[in-house]
Amino acid sequence: QVQLQQSGAELAKPGSSVKISCKASGYTFTSYYISWIKQTTGQGLEYIGYINTGSGGTNYNEKFKGKATLTVDKSSSTAFMQLSSLTPDDSAVYYCAHLPGQVPGYFDYWGQGVMVTVSS
Amino acid sequence: DIVLTQSPALAVSLGQRATISCRASQSVSISRYNLMHWYQQKPGQQPKLLIYRASNLASGIPARFSGSGSGTDFTLTINPVQADDIATYYCQQSRESLTFGSGTKLEIK
Repeated sequence: QVQLQQSGAELAKPGSSVKISCKASGYTFTSYYISWIKQTTGQGLEYIGYINTGSGGTNYNEKFKGKATLTVDKSSSTAFMQLSSLTPDDSAVYYCAHLPGQVPGYFDYWGQGVMVTVSS
Repeated sequence: DIVLTQSPALAVSLGQRATISCRASQSVSISRYNLMHWYQQKPGQQPKLLIYRASNLASGIPARFSGSGSGTDFTLTINPVQADDIATYYCQQSRESLTFGSGTKLEIK
């Protein structure tokens, strides 16, 4: 069965960067896209972007261009998202999610989420 | 961006029908495909896919959940509502980029 295991919570200072991971198992990693979603109490769920895990090609929500960078390591079936120049507005829970078909689409499996807290 | 509008909350009695609506700012249908999807999220958990492409039940989801709609108006129905269904429900469109509704919190009357 598809599983997405995300890394642990992060506490970061304003202006710094964090890199969170999403390790996939239970399927052929390079056959499906992985997407990233931000959740806050105020803004709800926001699509950040997706990555083609086979080619490394990416698509970003305009709002997150320059903020998020998506990469993959095919050897470990792991997707990564780096968030840069952090501000308190980046404090949120970040999910990775599996896209089962055409992109953009819907998400049939989600990671457990990573809470990122940006505070001095 | 396509904006999805949901009512903030809905109160229903156990065993009754719950109808949760989602209205899109423009059509999310292409040909015969209605690109609207529904998720359930319980506190402290990740969202769970319930319905994809408006009316298709996701794997492992009970048949008391159903979805309908086309164009700009979509509905998620839970019938009958059980205590375990208390959660927030989100719609999401994939017609143009990808956006989510603000969620409807299902409460027990």
